[in-house]
Amino acid sequence: ILNVEQSPQSLHVQEGDSTNFTCSFPSSNFYALHWYRWETAKSPEALFVMTLNGDEKKKGRISATLNTKEGYSYLYIKGSQPEDSATYLCAFWGGAGSYQLTFGKGTKLSVIP
Amino acid sequence: GAVVSQHPSWVICKSGTSVKIECRSLDFQATTMFWYRQFPKQSLMLMATSNEGSKATYEQGVEKDKFLINHASLTLSTLTVTSAHPEDSSFYICSAGLAGNTGELFFGEGSRLTVL
Repeated sequence: ILNVEQSPQSLHVQEGDSTNFTCSFPSSNFYALHWYRWETAKSPEALFVMTLNGDEKKKGRISATLNTKEGYSYLYIKGSQPEDSATYLCAFWGGAGSYQLTFGKGTKLSVIP
Repeated sequence: GAVVSQHPSWVICKSGTSVKIECRSLDFQATTMFWYRQFPKQSLMLMATSNEGSKATYEQGVEKDKFLINHASLTLSTLTVTSAHPEDSSFYICSAGLAGNTGELFFGEGSRLTVL
């Protein structure tokens, strides 16, 4: 069983604050690391698909980094807004030719206006 | 992006009855769809991989006779929970990927099943 850990489990930040959270995953047999944002009552939506060690991707105020050698990825949100409130999931893809993503439990972010 | 629609969103049923959940890809064809289950405060766990025109592939520990999966067309997969019991109460969600894509998945909205 693959172990994908996310921390913290939840956090509350004030509007305007920047924040970050962590996803750790197995450092062997790495193929890709996904980040999804899951708002309440909506479908999870892909933020990033990261495949290369050292990758850094950015979408607006959200960015992510990847370290496959040590098995972690960080997600950063700059200047948090209430609409950023959601659960952020990371998922580890450990092999080509399949879609067997192993998900973490998620980090639930609440941005307080 | 690609859209996946799932329904019903909520279903409450009596113990012993069967419940069908549908997952549709609205603007693309999905030869493969995935069904997940999530218990409270737990991760999304892959239950099975649904393959169009062939049998589904079930993960270890998932009863194939209890969770019937049918993928009769390129845009529709169904999950039927047969003879549901309270312990089957959970959140079920489907997803699909685009052929040739980097692996990004598109999810349905999920279905909350409560078995009384």
